[in-house]
Amino acid sequence: DAKTTQPNSMESNEEEPVHLPCNHSTISGTDYIHWYRQLPSQGPEYVIHGLTSNVNNRMASLAIAEDRKSSTLILHRATLRDAAVYYCILRDGRGGATNKLIFGTGTLLAVQP
Amino acid sequence: NAGVTQTPKFQVLKTGQSMTLQCAQDMNHEYMSWYRQDPGMGLRLIHYSVGAGITDQGEVPNGYNVSRSTTEDFPLRLLSAAPSQTSVYFCASRRTTVPMWDYGYTFGSGTRLTVV
Repeated sequence: DAKTTQPNSMESNEEEPVHLPCNHSTISGTDYIHWYRQLPSQGPEYVIHGLTSNVNNRMASLAIAEDRKSSTLILHRATLRDAAVYYCILRDGRGGATNKLIFGTGTLLAVQP
Repeated sequence: NAGVTQTPKFQVLKTGQSMTLQCAQDMNHEYMSWYRQDPGMGLRLIHYSVGAGITDQGEVPNGYNVSRSTTEDFPLRLLSAAPSQTSVYFCASRRTTVPMWDYGYTFGSGTRLTVV
């Protein structure tokens, strides 16, 4: 599985945008970029995923570099409830059912009031 | 629609005891999996199943057994608990009969297991 690299931790102020980076220089053409987050004492929660184009949903936006070697998760207005560990994960789109979700250590986001 | 339900939420075992962690989902998801999470680490895959009657090993399968007799349930069995199995266990499920861009994984809220 291709590896991702994320900063161990980041800080943000409430109501400001947050850009969480992820490097994946060995990404293959069939790898999807997934983001999950884990709030304290909870299970991970799906945030967003994409392949080549930028993606938006109600939780966040995903900006994917043109060469796909990096991506950025964007929280448009951070709230205290967004304080969590954010995981950037590559998942091969081939083979569907048998492909696994392999977690790294993620980025711990702290949000200051 | 309850999502993924894990029971129990907390459990203390003595070394050598056996137990089963339960996981049930009501979303008709074909894929189910078990992860463990240790302090300061990401989640590690233990076992997974792509459908009833089919299971396979993940990264850290030793000491754990699984079976999948129904689509809804995916229990994780510890046959002889060891202190190294002290961890938080998460069950996750996903649909597999739709394109990847449609769905992510749904996780349960976890079982915190302590083996003394």
